[in-house]
Amino acid sequence: SQQGEEDPQALSIQEGENATMNCSYKTSINNLQWYRQNSGRGLVHLILIRSNEREKHSGRLRVTLDTSKKSSSLLITASRAADTASYFCATQDDKIIFGKGTRLHILP
Amino acid sequence: DTEVTQTPKHLVMGMTNKKSLKCEQHMGHRAMYWYKQKAKKPPELMFVYSYEKLSINESVPSRFSPECPNSSLLNLHLHALQPEDSALYLCASSSKGLGPWNGYTFGSGTRLTVV
Repeated sequence: SQQGEEDPQALSIQEGENATMNCSYKTSINNLQWYRQNSGRGLVHLILIRSNEREKHSGRLRVTLDTSKKSSSLLITASRAADTASYFCATQDDKIIFGKGTRLHILP
Repeated sequence: DTEVTQTPKHLVMGMTNKKSLKCEQHMGHRAMYWYKQKAKKPPELMFVYSYEKLSINESVPSRFSPECPNSSLLNLHLHALQPEDSALYLCASSSKGLGPWNGYTFGSGTRLTVV
């Protein structure tokens, strides 16, 4: 299975701090994606990093990919209350498989 | 239009009922997906349609029956469900094979409760 495994499962930080989530996967990939899900809602695509890329930025998001270690990290800088959500990494072959997710809670 | 619209948002049905979930997108995406998500779990793939043809069925029980009448519409017909089928059902679409890959676009889901 290519299912990603996020770490930590849950994370609580103060508003303004940076949040880092990690994802490990098992097999070779074409790309890795990160999604956000607010409670009970649909998923929102955040960022995609291709297997030949090592780092990508989008606003306050920074994603890294280490294919030799089969791992990725998502960094959210200067966190805000609105960042409270679950974050999933997803690997893609002919279909997207989601990891177990990290529940991020931003404390005021 | 950059949205995937799912209806209804909430559905309560009995185990003998027949109901349908609807998903619609007008982004010209030719791949559409059904996912099932239980509380505090990741979405699990159920079905994939590519160019209106079923391409992947993840061994889903026959009480779930997908249908893709046209390139914009995806239905999930439900019959004789069990209480354990209660979950959030998510529809997604992607521009697979057409233009740059930008990930999936998800609908807000249908919260299904089977009583």
